[in-house]
Amino acid sequence: GQNIDQPTEMTATEGAIVQINCTYQTSGFNGLFWYQQHAGEAPTFLSYNVLDGLEEKGRFSSFLSRSKGYSYLLLKELQMKDSASYLCAGMDSNYQLIWGAGTKLIIKP
Amino acid sequence: NAGVTQTPKFRVLKTGQSMTLLCAQDMNHEYMYWYRQDPGMGLRLIHYSVGEGTTAKGEVPDGYNVSRLKKQNFLLGLESAAPSQTSVYFCASSKGSGDYNEQFFGPGTRLTVL
Repeated sequence: GQNIDQPTEMTATEGAIVQINCTYQTSGFNGLFWYQQHAGEAPTFLSYNVLDGLEEKGRFSSFLSRSKGYSYLLLKELQMKDSASYLCAGMDSNYQLIWGAGTKLIIKP
Repeated sequence: NAGVTQTPKFRVLKTGQSMTLLCAQDMNHEYMYWYRQDPGMGLRLIHYSVGEGTTAKGEVPDGYNVSRLKKQNFLLGLESAAPSQTSVYFCASSKGSGDYNEQFFGPGTRLTVL
């Protein structure tokens, strides 16, 4: 079956660094997405990885290892506005997104 | 440029009632999707469309129907609502698949079925 696993909740301190892990099992693989979702709002796109390695975009970076079925999202210099859920989604051979349940990130001052 | 819009934002139905959720996008995207989001679960695909006049079933299509008569609109219908359909419904659109599958989401419709 297809499955995306990520931690339910994480807590971090303002100004620190946090890494949110995601493991995936999909029928075929056409890339890995990360989305951010603030409470009561729509998900918004953060990153897309299809090749192994690290993609950096400002304070956010995303890493992919296809051989391990593993990705992580790295958030640096955490700000209070980063408090949100982070959704990992793998794209299968039919180009459909398989979504994880999301990781709720709580930032403390 | 409004992006993806959804109407209504909130709705309460009684069991057995019907309703239609409307999604509109102004980005000229080919692909459109309907998802539901429930606590503790990932987004689940209900139906999707790869172009005007075409629709396909997703992971959880039972109890829902869709239509894509115009490229910019994607309608989701509930013919006979059930309490299990209480959820937040998101519409999304994308240019296509693969590298162009960055999906843009609407603000959501919060539906309660009593």
